[in-house]
Amino acid sequence: KAGVTQTPRYLIKTRGQQVTLSCSPISGHRSVSWYQQTPGQGLQFLFEYFSETQRNKGNFPGRFSGRQFSNSRSEMNVSTLELGDSALYLCASSQDPGFGYTFGSGTRLTVV
Amino acid sequence: QQQVKQSPQSLIVQKGGISIINCAYENTAFDYFPWYQQFPGKGPALLIAIRPDVSEKKEGRFTISFNKSAKQFSLHIMDSQPGDSATYFCAASRNGNQFYFGTGTSLTVIP
Repeated sequence: KAGVTQTPRYLIKTRGQQVTLSCSPISGHRSVSWYQQTPGQGLQFLFEYFSETQRNKGNFPGRFSGRQFSNSRSEMNVSTLELGDSALYLCASSQDPGFGYTFGSGTRLTVV
Repeated sequence: QQQVKQSPQSLIVQKGGISIINCAYENTAFDYFPWYQQFPGKGPALLIAIRPDVSEKKEGRFTISFNKSAKQFSLHIMDSQPGDSATYFCAASRNGNQFYFGTGTSLTVIP
């Protein structure tokens, strides 16, 4: 059974640019959540999607957005990148929202 | 504010020893408390989880102890092995909604 796949693994972007990260959940998992991980702030919740609907949203500015497609694949977008957006972005999927999360290996975003 | 507080930040244990990591939470509405293990370059992996109607849960060498009145829960790793060296995160959620994670404990098991 394939795990959660996140692409790309690494990204380097310039301040002011925008970026799109992709997540393919485990087959059959309809819930996808996104987290930002940094050494200073730890793991912080961005948003959760279930059946193409955003179910929950964390305390991040509107520059962070996401969506989920009918096949449960999800993307997150960050516009007008800032240096502080440099982080590991993790996607997690589960059959039922919130329980039994399986995380992907993440996308390491560096903003220069 | 930090919804889940985790300690210690780092821990060094001899092989065969017991590793203990503690977490405290604020929101009494939390009803699901998982622990995650993360190796460098990987995402966190679910290790073990507990609900507040149970005071202890054991899976192999890993045990969660839960104290509802004190709003605390802890992870015990018995017979710690070098392969257990990783970062451990506690977390809490209510009704499967967003998870609040602790700040992590870096565990090093010395051979």
